[in-house]
Amino acid sequence: DIQMTQSPSSLSASVGDRVTITCRASQSISNYLNWYQQKPGKAPNLLIYAASRLQRGVPSRFSGSGSGTDFTLTISSLQPEDFASYYCQQSYSTPSTFGPGTKVDIK
Amino acid sequence: QVQLQESGPGLVKPSQTLSLTCTVSSGSINSADFYWSWIRQHPGKGLEWVGHVFHSGSTYYNPSLNSRVTISIDTSKNQVSLRLNSVTAADTAVYYCARFYGGNYPPSFDYWGQGVLVTVSS
Repeated sequence: DIQMTQSPSSLSASVGDRVTITCRASQSISNYLNWYQQKPGKAPNLLIYAASRLQRGVPSRFSGSGSGTDFTLTISSLQPEDFASYYCQQSYSTPSTFGPGTKVDIK
Repeated sequence: QVQLQESGPGLVKPSQTLSLTCTVSSGSINSADFYWSWIRQHPGKGLEWVGHVFHSGSTYYNPSLNSRVTISIDTSKNQVSLRLNSVTAADTAVYYCARFYGGNYPPSFDYWGQGVLVTVSS
């Protein structure tokens, strides 16, 4: 199985901050990397697919980059509704695997 | 707008079988573009892919659950089902169904149900 790691596991930030979350795969996965946002009690919501493509309806302050084993999710200016957990997921091979998540909370 | 809705018992006794159904509306469960997936989340933990089914009935399972899990599809009812045998407390989780779609891009889980909490307890 491909192992996914994320850093940091949690972070505290203020509204308006630029936030960067890193995801690393245990082997190359090309651009088969997706990012999800999850709020408490809710299902995950797709933000970024294919490493850098913004899902329809997702604000443009979210962006993704990377290829191979190292990927980044960036929120350019954190908004109150962005306080949530974020997960990366590889769809390069079965079983599909998720990172352990990054919780973004209010400083 | 595709909608997915999970249903099933919220409480299952140890050693018994967990059975859930996902009803898909406003979308074609019979399309060759999609896999229909089950994903679970243990309380306060991360996400674990359980498996998925294609419209033809072909299935793929997480090897960690392979011997206990069965996923099936009923295209006439627009439903996907999950059965997990011989459950233990470690199977207590929120279970989500989700659509796995790629098209011209690497696939992702683009639509999710709201999830159903299943507790394994006597």
